Amino acid sequence: AQTVTQSQPEMSVQEAETVTLSCTYDTSESDYYLFWYKQPPSRQMILVIRQEAYKQQNATENRFSVNFQKAAKSFSLKISDSQLGDAAMYFCAYRSGLSAGNNRKLIWGLGTSLAVNP
Amino acid sequence: ETGVTQSPTHLIKTRGQQVTLRCSSQSGHNTVSWYQQALGQGPQFIFQYYREEENGRGNFPPRFSGLQFPNYSSELNVNALELDDSALYLCASSSGQVLGNTIYFGEGSWLTVV
Repeated sequence: AQTVTQSQPEMSVQEAETVTLSCTYDTSESDYYLFWYKQPPSRQMILVIRQEAYKQQNATENRFSVNFQKAAKSFSLKISDSQLGDAAMYFCAYRSGLSAGNNRKLIWGLGTSLAVNP
Repeated sequence: ETGVTQSPTHLIKTRGQQVTLRCSSQSGHNTVSWYQQALGQGPQFIFQYYREEENGRGNFPPRFSGLQFPNYSSELNVNALELDDSALYLCASSSGQVLGNTIYFGEGSWLTVV
């Protein structure tokens, strides 16, 4: 069974600085998708960035980028120029590339609480 | 704003009661999934519906059941509520069964069982 591990329960960063959140996962599959979701106090899960495992190029979305190391099964999120609005819980999630039944589910880590200090 | 709306936002139930949570998916999305998120935890997959049929289920007992309607809105029903059912219940919708399609979440329904 696949697992997702986020080893940093809490992180903090100064406004305008850069922070990296860690995520490792375990799978025997070669085809899968990885996601970072942000959950602010409103509790709505918001997609930050996604990575397809078959793509070697790291995904980037404005100030958010990932470092995807497939062999090491590592998927870290870098937030550049941190803003106060970035403060939230960040979850790393995995989705199998297989199409049947429960393989469509997202498997989540425990999350990292990010504080942004002014 | 994801276009996924859930109701009610908060509710309190007594152990042994039944509850129904509702979800209106984003326009055009025919796939709905439900997740349970206990305090301090990541979400756990309950089940998924595609075109009114359940096509995936997590490790939850049969007292967790669901429906998807022709307009693709959905319900999560929980019978014989237990204290451990207290959690945030998230509804998520996506288009079709392409695995790479983005999944959009609602703001959740907070359920407290006393």
